[in-house]
Amino acid sequence: KNEVEQSPQNLTAQEGEFITINCSYSVGISALHWLQQHPGGGIVSLFMLSSGKKKHGRLIATINIQEKHSSLHITASHPRDSAVYICAVDSWGKLQFGAGTQVVVTP
Amino acid sequence: NAGVTQTPKFQVLKTGQSMTLQCAQDMNHNSMYWYRQDPGMGLRLIYYSASEGTTDKGEVPNGYNVSRLNKREFSLRLESAAPSQTSVYFCASSEGRQGHQPQHFGDGTRLSIL
Repeated sequence: KNEVEQSPQNLTAQEGEFITINCSYSVGISALHWLQQHPGGGIVSLFMLSSGKKKHGRLIATINIQEKHSSLHITASHPRDSAVYICAVDSWGKLQFGAGTQVVVTP
Repeated sequence: NAGVTQTPKFQVLKTGQSMTLQCAQDMNHNSMYWYRQDPGMGLRLIYYSASEGTTDKGEVPNGYNVSRLNKREFSLRLESAAPSQTSVYFCASSEGRQGHQPQHFGDGTRLSIL
């Protein structure tokens, strides 16, 4: 069983909708990362957080260490947000990745 | 800014052939990583190098070898390719050790082994 679980696996939204992706993990961690993988395959780091909340443009990431849960929110979604979003946890030097959430935003 | 550069982008091999995947970064990062990505599974760490001159096994090292040639370059070698090694391979780098700094990824190498 993967120690990092993401939900949903797939998500389709209409442009302008609010999107939430969830990440649950079962190990102790020192940090959590959210990554974005574009349709062409490139991967970029969106957030790294160890507590609370971070915001960058229309993206918001939150983490609850006690509940071992993180969420990535996309406000006012746009077709260019279509990508795979990946959660990764740092368990004191060991990085473990979720399987990703495929997001499609339609015009 | 080039960032992390991987070559080749695509490769088809026959079972038993050998090849080396090249990775170079121009950000003066200390740590470099090789991952593989398979359908329905998360990225899995093959090998990493915390600093120049050191390499360590990750989650799935069997069938692979690595060389940290210098601070910029980290290569991955398949000595005798097997169909199970068909995958997309990503190289990444970070300023510090794994997980405590954002990682910067290359564009990936799509490798098919027949």
